[in-house]
Amino acid sequence: GAGVSQSPSNKVTEKGKDVELRCDPISGHTALYWYRQSLGQGLEFLIYFQGNSAPDKSGLPSDRFSAERTGGSVSTLTIQRTQQEDSAVYLCASSFSSYNEQFFGPGTRLTVL
Amino acid sequence: QKEVEQDPGPLSVPEGAIVSLNCTYSNSAFQYFMWYRQYSRKGPELLMYTYSSGNKEDGRFTAQVDKSSKYISLFIRDSQPSDSATYLCAMSRNSGGSNYKLTFGKGTLLTVNP
Repeated sequence: GAGVSQSPSNKVTEKGKDVELRCDPISGHTALYWYRQSLGQGLEFLIYFQGNSAPDKSGLPSDRFSAERTGGSVSTLTIQRTQQEDSAVYLCASSFSSYNEQFFGPGTRLTVL
Repeated sequence: QKEVEQDPGPLSVPEGAIVSLNCTYSNSAFQYFMWYRQYSRKGPELLMYTYSSGNKEDGRFTAQVDKSSKYISLFIRDSQPSDSATYLCAMSRNSGGSNYKLTFGKGTLLTVNP
């Protein structure tokens, strides 16, 4: 069966530009998560969705970061006015519920020049 | 001090060796303990899952949790070149419905040489 998919797989952008990263969770999974993986910090939680609502946004590093989820399925993570320190791999995960195993996508590798 | 500490390695072993990976943590509220394996350019995949203290075995893999010492381990027996990957420990709390929020170690890069 299909796993979590993310697009694009790689994104190179210039400092100050906005970027959108997309996540398609496993069908039927109500919970969706975004993480960021960088060399210095490891893998960090960003945001959690249950359905279309985000009860936990505590990991978003600044107000330049936002995310939405529509139809209880696809999610988009948007980074406005990108900075070089935003360069990282952005991983999406989904699970049947918040109590179940999280399945990760392959990630989007973002490079900000 | 980070909540979860993990030696990043790299760790290089010959095929067939026993591998020991470990993490320490500072927050006694952690109740769920996991090990993930991540191949290069892939997302992490869950390898082992343990609730509270104790041992769990699955094939060549054994996970141990010692909550009194705030120390968790993953042992790989008869290591294979296909085990070459980054191993991440992760843990979560069991309060206020926040068990979904995983806190990861930085990962240990393992290479098993044929």
